[in-house]
Amino acid sequence: RKEVEQDPGPFNVPEGATVAFNCTYSNSASQSFFWYRQDCRKEPKLLMSVYSSGNEDGRFTAQLNRASQYISLLIRDSKLSDSATYLCVVNKGALGSWGKLQFGAGTQVVVTP
Amino acid sequence: NAGVTQTPKFQVLKTGQSMTLQCAQDMNHNSMYWYRQDPGMGLRLIYYSASEGTTDKGEVPNGYNVSRLNKREFSLRLESAAPSQTSVYFCASSGGGNQPQHFGDGTRLSIL
Repeated sequence: RKEVEQDPGPFNVPEGATVAFNCTYSNSASQSFFWYRQDCRKEPKLLMSVYSSGNEDGRFTAQLNRASQYISLLIRDSKLSDSATYLCVVNKGALGSWGKLQFGAGTQVVVTP
Repeated sequence: NAGVTQTPKFQVLKTGQSMTLQCAQDMNHNSMYWYRQDPGMGLRLIYYSASEGTTDKGEVPNGYNVSRLNKREFSLRLESAAPSQTSVYFCASSGGGNQPQHFGDGTRLSIL
């Protein structure tokens, strides 16, 4: 089983609609979680950090469910510019893994006019 | 406003050749990382440096060596390139601990 699993998609979303997708992680000791955005094999860029029960940044909302070991990302009022691959990233959390992140393979979102 | 800078951006090598990928950050970060990204897979950690003077193996270190030259610079060396090392390589830095990592724009490496 992969340490961080994501639905690869693609999620095809009409412009203006809402899209949500999840990411599951296997290490219950994980302490920090992030969503990154990656465009066309360019570098990953930090979208949001998810440190507690979740947080919101404009049209983007991230939720953390520790009991079920998943995090979610919701995008409201989708824009064409939101088309990208969204990477779920989890701090490995175990002793000796300080600062080491585990990346999911990404969920592709395609926003259509 | 450079952040993390990688050189070169593209490189084609022949099997057996060697080369060094350079990475520098200007954010005064303690920790630096090298990843590779292959189609359909998440980023995989090759080596990392938690702080100046230390380096450790990541998930896929075979065939690579690293040098943390100073706090700013962290280089990745392929001693004898193999076609399986064809990939996109990303360097990243962070303040360490639970801080997020910031990435350079990558080196696209092809080995024939």
